[in-house]
Amino acid sequence: DAGVIQSPRHEVTEMGQEVTLRCKPISGHDYLFWYRQTMMRGLELLIYFNNNVPIDDSGMPEDRFSAKMPNASFSTLKIQPSEPRDSAVYFCASSLGRFRADTQYFGPGTRLTVL
Amino acid sequence: GQQVMQIPQYQHVQEGEDFTTYCNSSTTLSNIQWYKQRPGGHPVFLIQLVKSGEVKKQKRLTFQFGEAKKNSSLHITATQTTDVGTYFCAGEVIQGAQKLVFGQGTRLTINP
Repeated sequence: DAGVIQSPRHEVTEMGQEVTLRCKPISGHDYLFWYRQTMMRGLELLIYFNNNVPIDDSGMPEDRFSAKMPNASFSTLKIQPSEPRDSAVYFCASSLGRFRADTQYFGPGTRLTVL
Repeated sequence: GQQVMQIPQYQHVQEGEDFTTYCNSSTTLSNIQWYKQRPGGHPVFLIQLVKSGEVKKQKRLTFQFGEAKKNSSLHITATQTTDVGTYFCAGEVIQGAQKLVFGQGTRLTINP
């Protein structure tokens, strides 16, 4: 299996622009997670899906952030408009989701820089 | 909210020395996982602990889960340069919710 795939790997944009991050989870995994990692705040869970349905979006910072999962093999995280404080590495992860919290497999991440 | 605290934030050792990172939760955890992130990389799963007082070993790595299921530790014996990276603990607060709360991580650097 190719593992979790994220694109783009790097994104540099200007403040106010819309940014879309993409994720393809491992085939057969029922859960998909979006995380943000910064030096100051560490690894934060933004939102996660079960069978394409958002379960918990309490970590989404504000209305500028939105996430969708239109099908089992694709998810997007959108920031509109972007701000310099959104600069971070964004990880997507997926898991099988059995009884206990299952192993989460992380993608390589998207390094976002907002100027 | 639920918090998982991890100490120390940074640790620098000489190659061959031991290393330990500690994880404490404000609430009882259903289970705890440990991940390693190499510089520039992504978190990679190491192990999961489920039972109270559980101890697991992976070669030079020893993982413990406290009796009260609120704390955990990772101990590396005789560090090697390949151990460099950030070690995260992550706890499941609500059993079956699949949501993990990650600690801040301990960044390990090693002098060869």
